[in-house]
Amino acid sequence: GDSVTQMEGPVTLSEEAFLTINCTYTATGYPSLFWYVQYPGEGLQLLLKATKADDKGSNKGFEATYRKETTSFHLEKGSVQVSDSAVYFCALASGGYNKLIFGAGTRLAVHP
Amino acid sequence: EAGVAQSPRYKIIEKRQSVAFWCNPISGHATLYWYQQILGQGPKLLIQFQNNGVVDDSQLPKDRFSAERLKGVDSTLKIQPAKLEDSAVYLCASSLAAGVQETQYFGPGTRLLVL
Repeated sequence: GDSVTQMEGPVTLSEEAFLTINCTYTATGYPSLFWYVQYPGEGLQLLLKATKADDKGSNKGFEATYRKETTSFHLEKGSVQVSDSAVYFCALASGGYNKLIFGAGTRLAVHP
Repeated sequence: EAGVAQSPRYKIIEKRQSVAFWCNPISGHATLYWYQQILGQGPKLLIQFQNNGVVDDSQLPKDRFSAERLKGVDSTLKIQPAKLEDSAVYLCASSLAAGVQETQYFGPGTRLLVL
């Protein structure tokens, strides 16, 4: 079945460091790919998405490119801030009914 | 625009008791989802409604879990009887439609602890 694998956390960085969180997927058909973020004490929020191969999603300085040849959707940010500390979830949607399949999440902690 | 509303935010019950969660989706959203998020894991879809009909309940433990979406708007998820392993956050989400390009918007969740 469809699945998402993302790098284990926690990831600990200093402010202004470069961030990469790896995400790979297995899916039949042509899924859409998403990154959701969960800030402490809050619900899941969509960070960015890409709906077809080679699309780049971007938001708040974060980027991810849909790579069909490597079945990957890695999340990157050039300079992280303390306020980026959160849990990041990679997810895919495929099939006829938009069922989201999530990875296990990666906790990011950014220190001043 | 108001987001997805859920209540209660927290619930503590004894095993074998029953519990119900309520969700009000974003106005106009036809598709409603219930997810279970166990600590340290990503959310897992329990059930998906398109208007007031069920389109996917393949991962819903039907011997103890039930859900309904009367009139195609609000929804309730019930657990009866609860087990220790049901301790989790229950997330409700909604989207305009059910296509794979549609964005799902999540509520704050209900944190359930079963003792």
